[in-house]
Amino acid sequence: DTAVSQTPKYLVTQMGNDKSIKCEQNLGHDTMYWYKQDSKKFLKIMFSYNNKELIINETVPNRFSPKSPDKAHLNLHINSLELGDSAVYFCASSQVQTYEQYFGPGTRLTVT
Amino acid sequence: AQSVTQLDSQVPVFEEAPVELRCNYSSSVSVYLFWYVQYPNQGLQLLLKYLSGSTLVESINGFEAEFNKSQTSFHLRKPSVHISDTAEYFCAVIPRGAQKLVFGQGTRLTINP
Repeated sequence: DTAVSQTPKYLVTQMGNDKSIKCEQNLGHDTMYWYKQDSKKFLKIMFSYNNKELIINETVPNRFSPKSPDKAHLNLHINSLELGDSAVYFCASSQVQTYEQYFGPGTRLTVT
Repeated sequence: AQSVTQLDSQVPVFEEAPVELRCNYSSSVSVYLFWYVQYPNQGLQLLLKYLSGSTLVESINGFEAEFNKSQTSFHLRKPSVHISDTAEYFCAVIPRGAQKLVFGQGTRLTINP
């Protein structure tokens, strides 16, 4: 059973397009996250939701919009894609106060 | 603000040799400490964590890390590595009262036969 799943695994698209990445967790956690891993493998948090409420919003361009329809899902929509958006995006989840975050397999986004 | 520094970007070792991956952090508040491992083309897996209690923590696959408050370090060690330990290792902290992980730059551990 996959704990944190993401779709798609790979996403190749052209500049200017709009795309979405979906994330689902079946661990019953109440907090979900999006992290970006750049070409140098550096990981940085983008957003965090707790019970569908946005609690962390780092300095991310407003072309990125997370949406949490329910506690188990956190999707990432990206408008007007740019070359610099090429990266691996990881979804994660945790139960608040346990501090253990479980990561999905990642979505490799390539913008051409 | 918090920052995490992994002092070595790459560490090559021979199989069955010991290894230490170094991690130092900077924070104005107390933090929880973590090591995550990323195998090639996979997501991150929690290797071990320090939240409180004994400063020496161990993983099920032979890794250990020791929290040293005075040196603000959380170095990862293994007495004898295997080919299967080849991966990228990330040190990370969570500030107390917060939920976001702050990662170091990662250390690529390469095991040579």
